[in-house]
Amino acid sequence: DTAVSQTPKYLVTQMGNDKSIKCEQNLGHDTMYWYKQDSKKFLKIMFSYNNKELIINETVPNRFSPKSPDKAHLNLHINSLELGDSAVYFCASSQEYYWGASLNTEAFFGQGTRLTVV
Amino acid sequence: KQEVTQIPAALSVPEGENLVLNCSFTDSAIYNLQWFRQDPGKGLTSLLLIQSSQREQTSGRLNASLDKSSGRSTLYIAASQPGDSATYLCAVRRSGTYKYIFGTGTRLKVLA
Repeated sequence: DTAVSQTPKYLVTQMGNDKSIKCEQNLGHDTMYWYKQDSKKFLKIMFSYNNKELIINETVPNRFSPKSPDKAHLNLHINSLELGDSAVYFCASSQEYYWGASLNTEAFFGQGTRLTVV
Repeated sequence: KQEVTQIPAALSVPEGENLVLNCSFTDSAIYNLQWFRQDPGKGLTSLLLIQSSQREQTSGRLNASLDKSSGRSTLYIAASQPGDSATYLCAVRRSGTYKYIFGTGTRLKVLA
């Protein structure tokens, strides 16, 4: 079973369209993320939700709107797509737990969605 | 502001060599550091996770160390194989946040 799964894996669309990417995790984690990997392969966080609540919202255009219907799902909707939105979008999840006094956590990533805007 | 840098950016070695990948970070207030592998066109696979209270972690031919005070981590790969060819990424989880900050990556090629 795939721990963090994203759909679709590839998405080719025209400028101006609206599209959504879906993410599901079956790890029982409380926190989910969206990351963007640009053409230079640099990964940058976009959003994070903890227990369906938005906790990280980086400097991302308003055209990007995340939605978390429940703890296991985090979707990304993009309006009025632009050429510069072409990238690979990664979903991830993590769970925090204490081992003694130390906070332990590990992130798991999906396979990515390659978005190409033409 | 946390910045994570990886050196070298690219590395090409003959099969069988032992090699070291470096990751440095500017803010030592971290929960942990995680090393990932990314194959072309694929997602990220977690290799090793070092909690802030730990000094090193080992998994098979991989050994990762962490020196928080100097803001450094190294990933040691023993007896490299062509199948190790990939991009290696380190990421730190900042204390007090849910944010993972990624390094710039090291693209490794192991020649048969």
